[in-house]
Amino acid sequence: NAGVTQTPKFQVLKTGQSMTLQCAQDMNHNSMYWYRQDPGMGLRLIYYSASEGTTDKGEVPNGYNVSRLNKREFSLRLESAAPSQTSVYFCASSEWTGRSPLHFGNGTRLTVT
Amino acid sequence: KQEVTQIPAALSVPEGENLVLNCSFTDSAIYNLQWFRQDPGKGLTSLLLIQSSQREQTSGRLNASLDKSSGRSTLYIAASQPGDSATYLCAVEGNEKLTFGTGTRLTIIP
Repeated sequence: NAGVTQTPKFQVLKTGQSMTLQCAQDMNHNSMYWYRQDPGMGLRLIYYSASEGTTDKGEVPNGYNVSRLNKREFSLRLESAAPSQTSVYFCASSEWTGRSPLHFGNGTRLTVT
Repeated sequence: KQEVTQIPAALSVPEGENLVLNCSFTDSAIYNLQWFRQDPGKGLTSLLLIQSSQREQTSGRLNASLDKSSGRSTLYIAASQPGDSATYLCAVEGNEKLTFGTGTRLTIIP
């Protein structure tokens, strides 16, 4: 049982390049989330998808887009990477928002130079 | 805006001791509070979830309490072991989804 799988694990981008972070869960969860984790700032929510077919902005959505491809997959796209987007990105899922524990992937460490 | 604070930022205790980690939050309108552990270079692992109507939850050597009126939660770890060394984060879930504290880095000294 893989849980939440994120790819890639590491990525280095130059300013202005684009990329997509992939996330898939095999727990039949309805809700999925993207967080970024920065030293001294904790985890901050970028976007979430409460259920298949819906997406909503979180605390720090600027510079990102998301796609809930199907119930299993939720991708995060950086259209034009900036150094301020250097961070560790975590995908998470839960059975439902508001009442279920979150399950996290192992993260993607992104560096933008 | 919800704010979650965890003090201290780091804690070292000898193996075998019981210990308490603290979490405070500013807005009591929450659905639940969750405690996670994070090992270096890894994602977060859910430890305990306390619904807003509950006062505490227990799992093995872990016990988490919730006092919504005072905006506080504690995570009690009994008989600490070196394997408990990790960063522990609390998070409260409300209308703004999950808001995380910055964590307490716990080191258990053998």
